Amino acid sequence: ILNVEQSPQSLHVQEGDSTNFTCSFPSSNFYALHWYRWETAKSPEALFVMTLNGDEKKKGRISATLNTKEGYSYLYIKGSQPEDSATYLCASPYKYIFGTGTRLKVLA
Amino acid sequence: DSGVTQTPKHLITATGQRVTLRCSPRSGDLSVYWYQQSLDQGLQFLIQYYNGEERAKGNILERFSAQQFPDLHSELNLSSLELGDSALYFCASSVVGGEINEQFFGPGTRLTVL
Repeated sequence: ILNVEQSPQSLHVQEGDSTNFTCSFPSSNFYALHWYRWETAKSPEALFVMTLNGDEKKKGRISATLNTKEGYSYLYIKGSQPEDSATYLCASPYKYIFGTGTRLKVLA
Repeated sequence: DSGVTQTPKHLITATGQRVTLRCSPRSGDLSVYWYQQSLDQGLQFLIQYYNGEERAKGNILERFSAQQFPDLHSELNLSSLELGDSALYFCASSVVGGEINEQFFGPGTRLTVL
């Protein structure tokens, strides 16, 4: 059974804080790992597609790293802003398994 | 706006009925995916089509079926509806069917079965 797990389940941070959360996945049958941002009442929006061990990708204040050997990816947000409040999902496109997400709330 | 459209936005129906959800992918995208999000559940992959052919199947019930038409739009048919089928149904599309391509999600169809 393929499990994609995310931690923590939810997180409250103050505006300006940097934060990070984790996505764990089985390292066998690895194709890629997707990160999505999902704001309330909207639909998931793709952030990154990670494919190679050691990959690091960045989009503005958000970045992600990938370790395929140990089966984890980190998502980092630098200087969190209230507009970063959302649920961050990771997904394995092998059988399209999504994690349950990390719900981030940035307090002004 | 992702460029993926879904209709209807909301649908209310009764148990035992049949409904059809429609999805138009982004211009140029060949692959369409259907997901279900039930209350307190994460996104569950149902099925993927690529250029008209079924490509991958997830936890899709036998009462559910889908197809992708020559113009690349897709329909998800849900029949013999049960209360537990109430959920948000998302369609997503990607350029090709490969695992490295990001998916673009539509706004979803909220189905309520009474």
